[in-house]
Amino acid sequence: GAVVSQHPSWVICKSGTSVKIECRSLDFQATTMFWYRQFPKQSLMLMATSNEGSKATYEQGVEKDKFLINHASLTLSTLTVTSAHPEDSSFYICSARSMTHTDTQYFGPGTRLTVL
Amino acid sequence: GEDVEQSLFLSVREGDSSVINCTYTDSSSTYLYWYKQEPGAGLQLLTYIFSNMDMKQDQRLTVLLNKKDKHLSLRIADTQTGDSAIYFCAETNTGTASKLTFGTGTRLQVTL
Repeated sequence: GAVVSQHPSWVICKSGTSVKIECRSLDFQATTMFWYRQFPKQSLMLMATSNEGSKATYEQGVEKDKFLINHASLTLSTLTVTSAHPEDSSFYICSARSMTHTDTQYFGPGTRLTVL
Repeated sequence: GEDVEQSLFLSVREGDSSVINCTYTDSSSTYLYWYKQEPGAGLQLLTYIFSNMDMKQDQRLTVLLNKKDKHLSLRIADTQTGDSAIYFCAETNTGTASKLTFGTGTRLQVTL
């Protein structure tokens, strides 16, 4: 149980295009999902907290117009990187907090984004 | 803000025990976690401990918490080559809606 999927697992795009990444909780409902960014050989940096049916809460320094987050249902959150640039290239990982186990986050496998 | 520190690298021989250490600064931490990350993959929750516990054991894994010193450790018994990965400790307090603060990660290398 407690499986989180991400799609796509990797994506290469041209500079200036937008990329959407999906995060799904497959066998549980998640009122809260989190989006992280990880640079090579570094720890995870929380970008935003996404609650179902409401606006995401962004961490300091994260541009909300750049990284659009939508949490339309209890099993799906999306992150759209708008007008991507090479510096947006990174590993993006989502996590989901179960409604029943509220103090445990289950992580997706990550999406590697490369912007040319 | 909260700070979580780990040593960067640990090398052990197969069959030996591994001990990965973590220190944190948030005195209001409620839960402390250990996650494993293999290359190119997401994070796998290994175990977690509530802050009013001193120890938790789960098969080959033993977590020790010294709340006074804000020190957390993960012991892996009979370490196998499949245990080679990066291990992250993380902490949260209920006041921040389970926002996790991650450590810097420890790369565990298991040699034959």
